[in-house]
Amino acid sequence: QQQVKQSPQSLIVQKGGISIINCAYENTAFDYFPWYQQFPGKGPALLIAIRPDVSEKKEGRFTISFNKSAKQFSLHIMDSQPGDSATYFCAASMNRDDKIIFGKGTRLHILP
Amino acid sequence: SAVISQKPSRDICQRGTSLTIQCQVDSQVTMMFWYRQQPGQSLTLIATANQGSEATYESGFVIDKFPISRPNLTFSTLTVSNMSPEDSSIYLCSVEQGRKLFFGSGTQLSVL
Repeated sequence: QQQVKQSPQSLIVQKGGISIINCAYENTAFDYFPWYQQFPGKGPALLIAIRPDVSEKKEGRFTISFNKSAKQFSLHIMDSQPGDSATYFCAASMNRDDKIIFGKGTRLHILP
Repeated sequence: SAVISQKPSRDICQRGTSLTIQCQVDSQVTMMFWYRQQPGQSLTLIATANQGSEATYESGFVIDKFPISRPNLTFSTLTVSNMSPEDSSIYLCSVEQGRKLFFGSGTQLSVL
């Protein structure tokens, strides 16, 4: 019940295309859903996050879509660029003092 | 946002030895977190370090193997003791600000 299931494990997208990464959760007590981006040799960095009271959040080319009834959320990267090639982790947490649960990650490669 | 300096960035160690990883934050924080990231895998929380008290370890991690120090509100160390090849991983320290996690660049550890 504490898991966050992420798919696909790896993804290859042409430059200019849309990259889509999906996550699903079970625990309805989760109330914060961030996405982290990690480049090789670096620690993860927060990319964008959403709370369950909204269905979509957009920051530049990055959009989170949230489906509360299906307990799913996804990251969409529009106009994908080679510089977006990285590993992406979805995550969830349920309150300020509780630990964050990470998905297993998606290795995204954007073809030039 | 917090800036975290972690060192060493990488090391190659012999089986049976110990390595201490240092983490310095540019602001005072209550909790610091230590994660392990095995090759191609997600982030696994090792322990939470509070200043002035013993660290809290997650299931599967013990103090004898991963002793942690937290002498003040800006610094922590993680020691990987009596290392074996199975300890080869990236070790990351992290702090939380407003439910956002900030990570150091990690320590890439290889055990021969």
